[in-house]
Amino acid sequence: QAQLVQSGTEVKKPGASVKVSCKASGYTFSAHYLHWVRHAPGQGLEWMGHINGNSDDIRYAQKFQGRVTMTRDTSISTAYMELSRLTSDDTAVYYCARDLYIKGENVFDIWGQGTEVTVSS
Amino acid sequence: DIVMTQSPLSLPVTPGEPASISCRSSQSLLRGNGYTYFNWFLQKPGQSPQLLIYLGSNRASGVSDRFSGSGSGTEFTLKISRVEAADVGVYYCMQALQRPYTFGQGTKLEIK
Repeated sequence: QAQLVQSGTEVKKPGASVKVSCKASGYTFSAHYLHWVRHAPGQGLEWMGHINGNSDDIRYAQKFQGRVTMTRDTSISTAYMELSRLTSDDTAVYYCARDLYIKGENVFDIWGQGTEVTVSS
Repeated sequence: DIVMTQSPLSLPVTPGEPASISCRSSQSLLRGNGYTYFNWFLQKPGQSPQLLIYLGSNRASGVSDRFSGSGSGTEFTLKISRVEAADVGVYYCMQALQRPYTFGQGTKLEIK
C-alpha cells in the first residue's frame, strides 16, 4: 500500500540547516503533490509548503520564504525539505503528506511517520 | 490567513457516549464550484495525523461510520456517535481553500 517513510531524528545548532527526506512507495510518485507540515511542541500543526510532481509548482508559506527549499527526485521517489538558519523555534516534528487532490481540494491522505528536529546549542 | 478556531479544546467522554467537536473559520470555505474545502484529522498518541473527513463531510477510506462531518460556510462539526478507547487523541480541523492551509488549535479527546 502507499506509504511515506521519512529520514531520522536530527539535532542541529542554531544557524545551521537541516534537510529532511521523504521516500514514497506503493503509488506513482510523480502523480501527486507533496506537502510539508510541522508540529512544534505545545503548538498546532503548521503548513510549510508544497511541491508538485514535476517540481514546477512549488509554493511556500510566507513565514518560511527565503529559508525553506523543497525538492524532489523522481528517479528515487524521494522528496526533500531543507530549512536553513535554524533557531530554537524550529524545534518540531516535520511531516510530509501526500495530496490526493479530490474535486479541486488538497486532501492530505497519507502522512510520513515524522522527523524530529531539535535545535539546541 | 484564514483562522480556524476549535471548541472545546479538551473533551472528556465516557465510552459509548457521543461526542461533538466544533470548528469555525474566519471566512467561508465554500468555493465557487459548490464544494467546501474543509478537513478533519485525528492525531493519536505517538502517531502521525490521519485523515478522517474531507470536503466537509466525506469519510476517508477505512474511517469508521461512527465519525461524521457536517457544516457549511464557516461552521463545521465532527460527531462521533459512540466513543471508543481507540478514538483518544487530538482532533484538528483544517481549511484547504487557500494557501497557507491552516489548522485549528486541536481538541484533545480523552476517556473518562
